Amino acid sequence: EVQLLESGGGLVQPGGSLRLSCAASEFTFSSYAMSWIRQAPGKGLEWVSAISAAGGSTYYADSVEGRSTISRDNFKSTLFLQMNSLRAEDTAIYYCASGGMASSRLGEYWGQGTQVTVSS
Amino acid sequence: QSALTQPASVSGSPGQSINISCAGTSSDVGSSNLVSWYQHHPGRAPKLLIYEVTKRPSGVSSRFSASKSGNTASLTISGLLAEDEAHYYCSSYTGISNVFGGGTNLTVL
Repeated sequence: EVQLLESGGGLVQPGGSLRLSCAASEFTFSSYAMSWIRQAPGKGLEWVSAISAAGGSTYYADSVEGRSTISRDNFKSTLFLQMNSLRAEDTAIYYCASGGMASSRLGEYWGQGTQVTVSS
Repeated sequence: QSALTQPASVSGSPGQSINISCAGTSSDVGSSNLVSWYQHHPGRAPKLLIYEVTKRPSGVSSRFSASKSGNTASLTISGLLAEDEAHYYCSSYTGISNVFGGGTNLTVL
């Protein structure tokens, strides 16, 4: 069974940084583009960032462009999201999901999510 | 990129059918074959119900169906079950990003 397990969330002060990880198992990770998708409290889902299967192409939502970096390690089947200059509005559950840009099946597989709280 | 527009809530009785709309623009839903629908029970991972406008992944009940007309996509759930009570989201590829709808809370009466 495919498993995506996020980690790295937590409480951080405004202006701080976090690095989220998503470890994949039972999954041909290197064959899939991957995305980070978040859900703020009481809000809907928001696509945040995507990376191609080989890692050569990255994409960002306007809301995180310039403050976040998505990357991956295909040898370790792990996806990352480095978030800097965090703001209160970045508070959300962050999910990793299979699929990226122009993916037929964006979100075929999801992790359980990791909570990020930005507060002083 | 603005979120796609979904009704905040819909409701139906067991056995009935309901529709959830997802209104976009000619830049997203209207021009994309990459429209998807997701079911999300709070506290759990979202689940892909529909991809490429009308296709169901293996294992998804045939009670879930979808269509698109112009700039609006629609999800139909027939034969409502109590377990269908959840949040439902649409999404569309826009050519430069992915955009989600605001979500619809389905209540099974």
